[in-house]
Amino acid sequence: DGGITQSPKYLFRKEGQNVTLSCEQNLNHDAMYWYRQDPGQGLRLIYYSQIVNDFQKGDIAEGYSVSREKKESFPLTVTSAQKNPTAFYLCASSPGARGYGYTFGSGTRLTVV
Amino acid sequence: SQQGEEDPQALSIQEGENATMNCSYKTSINNLQWYRQNSGRGLVHLILIRSNEREKHSGRLRVTLDTSKKSSSLLITASRAADTASYFCATDAYSGAGSYQLTFGKGTKLSVIP
Repeated sequence: DGGITQSPKYLFRKEGQNVTLSCEQNLNHDAMYWYRQDPGQGLRLIYYSQIVNDFQKGDIAEGYSVSREKKESFPLTVTSAQKNPTAFYLCASSPGARGYGYTFGSGTRLTVV
Repeated sequence: SQQGEEDPQALSIQEGENATMNCSYKTSINNLQWYRQNSGRGLVHLILIRSNEREKHSGRLRVTLDTSKKSSSLLITASRAADTASYFCATDAYSGAGSYQLTFGKGTKLSVIP
């Protein structure tokens, strides 16, 4: 079955640590996205990539980094510069940049301990 | 930036009743989409309506779009307990520097009571 796989489902980070969230899709989609969801805040865009080896900052990119070396993979690193990283992180993909619905993964819940 | 705003924030209805959720937005859009999210899960795409369309149906879902009022509504007919979820509208609009973004509202939390 085609879809998006996010791992891990739960992740705990100590203060000052960098952590990487995995996102893999087998839908042959060109575009991939990372969103952050906080309670009552809806989804906010962190980074997006419309094609391999290219990505752009979203509305809240500070403290995060991404790479897009393969079409299937779009990992997100939450760096120690992100002061409030506790949130639910959602990865999504779409066939192209415009005019398509997004397919979402099941999310990673990150907690700072 | 938050483009779409859903109304109401929460809605509680009896099974079998219809549920209507509204979305308002501020700028011109390419299309508007509705998504469902069950608690603690990812979002599921429900329906996409383009800016030149006024109404679209998918099973028990009916979506309308009024670009003059910059608003959309999602109607779920004959609701079921399984429809309990949060519903988000998302607007596909120009975000500057030659790119487009899908921007989500804060959602309507629907509870369907058996």
